[in-house]
Amino acid sequence: NAGVTQTPKFQVLKTGQSMTLQCAQDMNHNSMYWYRQDPGMGLRLIYYSASEGTTDKGEVPNGYNVSRLNKREFSLRLESAAPSQTSVYFCASYRTSGNTGELFFGEGSRLTVL
Amino acid sequence: GENVEQHPSTLSVQEGDSAVIKCTYSDSASNYFPWYKQELGKGPQLIIDIRSNVGEKKDQRIAVTLNKTAKHFSLHITETQPEDSAVYFCAAKGVATDSWGKLQFGAGTQVVVTP
Repeated sequence: NAGVTQTPKFQVLKTGQSMTLQCAQDMNHNSMYWYRQDPGMGLRLIYYSASEGTTDKGEVPNGYNVSRLNKREFSLRLESAAPSQTSVYFCASYRTSGNTGELFFGEGSRLTVL
Repeated sequence: GENVEQHPSTLSVQEGDSAVIKCTYSDSASNYFPWYKQELGKGPQLIIDIRSNVGEKKDQRIAVTLNKTAKHFSLHITETQPEDSAVYFCAAKGVATDSWGKLQFGAGTQVVVTP
């Protein structure tokens, strides 16, 4: 039971380089999310996808793009990395249960931009 | 938009004692308040949640209380154990938010339980 799988777990980039963070979930959830976690700031939503074929901006979308490739996969792309994007990135999917639900998070991708 | 403040940022307790973490929110229309626990090197995991039509909810050693008038909610952990050591995040969802996974998180509380 893999849940939400993120790759890579660690990455070091130089300023201006690009990369894509991959995320896949095997729980058949419709909604998927990308959050970033920074010390003292909790988790902030970057982008989300309510269902296959749709994506929307969250609180901090600048400098990022996303692709909902299919129901399982939701990728996050940094086109031109900046030191301010040094962070831990978490992908999550949402399970609805009656009138409530739960976010399931991956184990995170730690990105350092030099 | 919604803003969630969380206190304290760190909390040290003796094993067996209680721990309390408090959060305040700004949007009076918020209707859903989950708590997540993050262990070292892992992603956050839901431990308990409460909706705005409920004042208190318990699950074994953890409980959450909600005061809608004051716009604050709290996590209570009783009889703390070393495995309770982790970072805890509160969160809130505004009623106007279209997606249940779009949460506004607090900054987190590092809880350390010493034997």
